[in-house]
This record gives sequence, C-alpha cells and structure tokens, in this order.
Amino acid sequence: GENVEQHPSTLSVQEGDSAVIKCTYSDSASNYFPWYKQELGKGPQLIIDIRSNVGEKKDQRIAVTLNKTAKHFSLHITETQPEDSAVYFCAASQNNDMRFGAGTRLTVKP
Amino acid sequence: GAVVSQHPSWVICKSGTSVKIECRSLDFQATTMFWYRQFPKQSLMLMATSNEGSKATYEQGVEKDKFLINHASLTLSTLTVTSAHPEDSSFYICSARDKGQPYEQYFGPGTRLTVT
Repeated sequence: GENVEQHPSTLSVQEGDSAVIKCTYSDSASNYFPWYKQELGKGPQLIIDIRSNVGEKKDQRIAVTLNKTAKHFSLHITETQPEDSAVYFCAASQNNDMRFGAGTRLTVKP
Repeated sequence: GAVVSQHPSWVICKSGTSVKIECRSLDFQATTMFWYRQFPKQSLMLMATSNEGSKATYEQGVEKDKFLINHASLTLSTLTVTSAHPEDSSFYICSARDKGQPYEQYFGPGTRLTVT
C-alpha cells in the first residue's frame, strides 16, 4: 500500500520568512496530492492540491511542486504570517485510497 | 461551496453505551464518504470508506461490528460507535467527495468523543 513520509515534524519560522514542507510517497500509481491545514480542534482544510500531470501549482502565497520521478512533493509558503501557524498534512491518493503524512507543526513567530 | 458538517461537535458518554455521529455534505452530493480517526498530535487514520447505498469498506484492524457506518443518502453518512470504551475516545472526522469531482475530499469539523 501507499506510504507517505513528511518532513520536518516541526518547523518554526520568523514572520515574513518562507516555509517549506516536504513529502515522499511510495506508490507510483498515486495521482493526486493535496495539502491540508489543520488548526487545533478543527477538521483539515484543503489549501492546495496538485495532480500527477502537473509539476507545479501556485495560489497566492502557497505553492506546491511535484517530482513524479523522485516521488516527492513539497509545499512552499512565502511571506509567512502568524495565522499560518497550524499543522499541515500532505497526502497521496489514487481512487478512494488517500494516505496522509504524519503532519508538520508550523509555528510562525511574530 | 463544498461544506461538510458534523454533529455533534463533541460528546461525552459512559462506557458501554453507543454514540452516533452524523456527517452531512451541505451543498453537494457525496457519492463517497470517508471516516477518519485522529489521536492527539497524530495523523489521520482512515477507518472506512462508504458509498451511498452500499456497505462500507473497512480498513484492516477496524471492527465493523463496533463502528457501524450507514450512508443512506447522497448527503448523509453516520458512524455509530457501539459499546464504547475509554480507548475509543478520539477525534472522529468525516470527509466527502463531490459526485462531480473525482479527486478532492472535503473534511468536516470533527467530533470529539470522550468515553468515561
């Protein structure tokens, strides 16, 4: 089955700096890679996603890159703000099978 | 768009009782709904996948007789934790896939279950 690894587990940055979170996956058949933001006591919120036929996608301060050959994808957040502080999960999916990384706790210091 | 609600948001029950959690897609039809469980500071663990009108598919290690899932309509799925025990205390989260979109999953706000 699919195995998703996520690094780092915790990340602390200064407001205004960039943050990068990386994930690797094992199943080459995975074709959909979403990123979720989860705040304390709430459900995950989809913030950006990418499909296997695309190498990069950007939405304002958030971007995701995908390297299918190496089976890794990354989340990039630029100009971080304190409200970006949360736990971020990557996931890899094919059909109904979505597997999550262990999560990254991002702290943005004002 | 793509809003998923859960009810209740939190529940406390006594050991041995059963608890039902509802998951609704508010503005779209969900042919497939997923139930996850999340322990503190851990990732989401898929428990089961349910398709409208058919039996749920459970992940290995998840007891189907303990975690009853019903997906009776395109907008509602329920998870019933039967004969709950303290070790069932967890954060239960559902997600739903829009009938017209094969990839995205939209998550509910979660239900905090505490069994005393």
